[in-house]
Amino acid sequence: AQSVAQPEDQVNVAEGNPLTVKCTYSVSGNPYLFWYVQYPNRGLQFLLKYITGDNLVKGSYGFEAEFNKSQTSFHLKKPSALVSDSALYFCAVRDGTGGYQKVTFGTGTKLQVIP
Amino acid sequence: NAGVMQNPRHLVRRRGQEARLRCSPMKGHSHVYWYRQLPEEGLKFMVYLQKENIIDESGMPKERFSAEFPKEGPSILRIQQVVRGDSAAYFCASSPPGTGAVYEQYFGPGTRLTVT
Repeated sequence: AQSVAQPEDQVNVAEGNPLTVKCTYSVSGNPYLFWYVQYPNRGLQFLLKYITGDNLVKGSYGFEAEFNKSQTSFHLKKPSALVSDSALYFCAVRDGTGGYQKVTFGTGTKLQVIP
Repeated sequence: NAGVMQNPRHLVRRRGQEARLRCSPMKGHSHVYWYRQLPEEGLKFMVYLQKENIIDESGMPKERFSAEFPKEGPSILRIQQVVRGDSAAYFCASSPPGTGAVYEQYFGPGTRLTVT
């Protein structure tokens, strides 16, 4: 069975500082990894994904994520946080091996950027 | 290029009534997923459908819940005889046809169901 862990319920960071939102995963096959962001009373928006290739993936709004196979992690990062980045962030994983596998989402991490 | 559309955005039902939630996927998308989100909780998978087929309903409660995605028209999530515990935000997502595993999902704005 596949799973995703987001160990921090909330992350606080000062505006202009770098931010990291952590994610670790477990799959039996090849991991396909995704990050989504959810603003209040809205649906999830796709940020970036790792399927194969370079371990550093760049996405929307200046976000990037690093795939680390040995640590089974896919942490979301941004060099300089904005107040508008404050939202709920979800990591998700899907086993890319074989046929259909549903996507498993983490429980979410609330990012608070302090002015 | 319209995104995923869901209606209604807010739905209030009394206990015992039926709730029907509608989802129109993005143009060209043939895969539809339904999720439930409870306050302070993550996103829980409910069901995955393709046109006229239920592919995976492992997240659907065995009773009172059903879903369909007909050849024409939106996908429908139907909850019969609603109870207070059904109060939640229900999100629909879609993805393109083909090998779905590599594709991200595009989410609708959700339907917030309140059972009184």
